[in-house]
Amino acid sequence: KAGVTQTPRYLIKTRGQQVTLSCSPISGHRSVSWYQQTPGQGLQFLFEYFSETQRNKGNFPGRFSGRQFSNSRSEMNVSTLELGDSALYLCASSEGLAGALLSYEQYFGPGTRLTVT
Amino acid sequence: AQTVTQSQPEMSVQEAETVTLSCTYDTSENNYYLFWYKQPPSRQMILVIRQEAYKQQNATENRFSVNFQKAAKSFSLKISDSQLGDTAMYFCALNEKLTFGTGTRLTIIP
Repeated sequence: KAGVTQTPRYLIKTRGQQVTLSCSPISGHRSVSWYQQTPGQGLQFLFEYFSETQRNKGNFPGRFSGRQFSNSRSEMNVSTLELGDSALYLCASSEGLAGALLSYEQYFGPGTRLTVT
Repeated sequence: AQTVTQSQPEMSVQEAETVTLSCTYDTSENNYYLFWYKQPPSRQMILVIRQEAYKQQNATENRFSVNFQKAAKSFSLKISDSQLGDTAMYFCALNEKLTFGTGTRLTIIP
């Protein structure tokens, strides 16, 4: 099976702009989670989608939003970009809800490196 | 609130030695899962090992094993016979709210 893919791999934006990142999960996986990775903060959970519905949400402002399509592909949007949004954004897919009690294994993509200038 | 703490930002060991990475966590749940993930330089994050909280037996995967102390909320990772390919960032994680620690950068010295 093909792994998790993320596009684009690299992105440079300026403050105030908005950006959309895309994630294609492993075939058959219904859950997609998004994380922000920065050197000082490690990985911080953004949200998890399952069957087109947001099931879990981290502590990020409303500028960060996402959605999931019927084919399980997911997009993440960040509006009004700030310098502090510069980070590696990771997407992970799993067969079921990763944040649930049974906790399915997550498979990570290579990430999208976003630089905000 | 759930938290995961990795107190060792960086570690280095000689090849073939054994190294232990520390992790403590806090959760109000009684049933939960703990994970160690590995992120090699410029490569994708992969799962190393997982532990179910209700299982008393420590998980083992080849050279990787954990020391799970539920009462102390401690979950350390032991790597035996370390290899150059073990050089990576290692993240401890808790399934509740998908909480990750800040990571330990491990370098294996030839």
